[in-house]
Amino acid sequence: AQSVTQLGSHVSVSEGALVLLRCNYSSSVPPYLFWYVQYPNQGLQLLLKYTSAATLVKGINGFEAEFKKSETSFHLTKPSAHMSDAAEYFCAVSGRGKLIFGQGTELSVKP
Amino acid sequence: TAGITQAPTSQILAAGRSMTLRCTQDMRHNAMYWYRQDLGLGLRLIHYSNTAGTTGKGEVPDGYSVSRANTDDFPLTLASAVPSQTSVYFCASSDEAGHGETQYFGPGTRLLVL
Repeated sequence: AQSVTQLGSHVSVSEGALVLLRCNYSSSVPPYLFWYVQYPNQGLQLLLKYTSAATLVKGINGFEAEFKKSETSFHLTKPSAHMSDAAEYFCAVSGRGKLIFGQGTELSVKP
Repeated sequence: TAGITQAPTSQILAAGRSMTLRCTQDMRHNAMYWYRQDLGLGLRLIHYSNTAGTTGKGEVPDGYSVSRANTDDFPLTLASAVPSQTSVYFCASSDEAGHGETQYFGPGTRLLVL
């Protein structure tokens, strides 16, 4: 069975600081992994996804994530936070064609 | 392109009443999904449809029903609403139902059951 754990329900960073959102997964098959972002009162939007082509995946808005099989992790990073990055972020793993989501991490960006 | 539209945007519903949440996509995707989002629980799959004419149960199907009469529409019905169904409901679609397919989400319906 597949599952996802996001470490930290809330992360706060200063504008210009590194963003690191943590995601660990469990999967009985080679995983497909996703990061989605949800801005206030909106639906989810795909940031990036891992499909086994390359371990470092680049997404939209300067975000990237690295797949580490040995650590079963798929952490999301951005070198320099912007105020517009404030949102909720969801990690997800694909299992039998269905997405299994983590609990979400709310990112706050302080000026 | 509109992508996925959901209606209504929000609704207050008396317990015991029925309601249908509408979802329409214009991407000709084969697979469609209904999720509910609750604080601290992320998104949980209610029902899904791999192709028109077929439906399946997700993680939390009780109290909900769906139909998929055509490719574009995937309505979600609450036959007799209860307060625990207060949530934000998202419809999504993907080109296929296979492993690794990207799902595209609608803007959501906020439902309050009193």
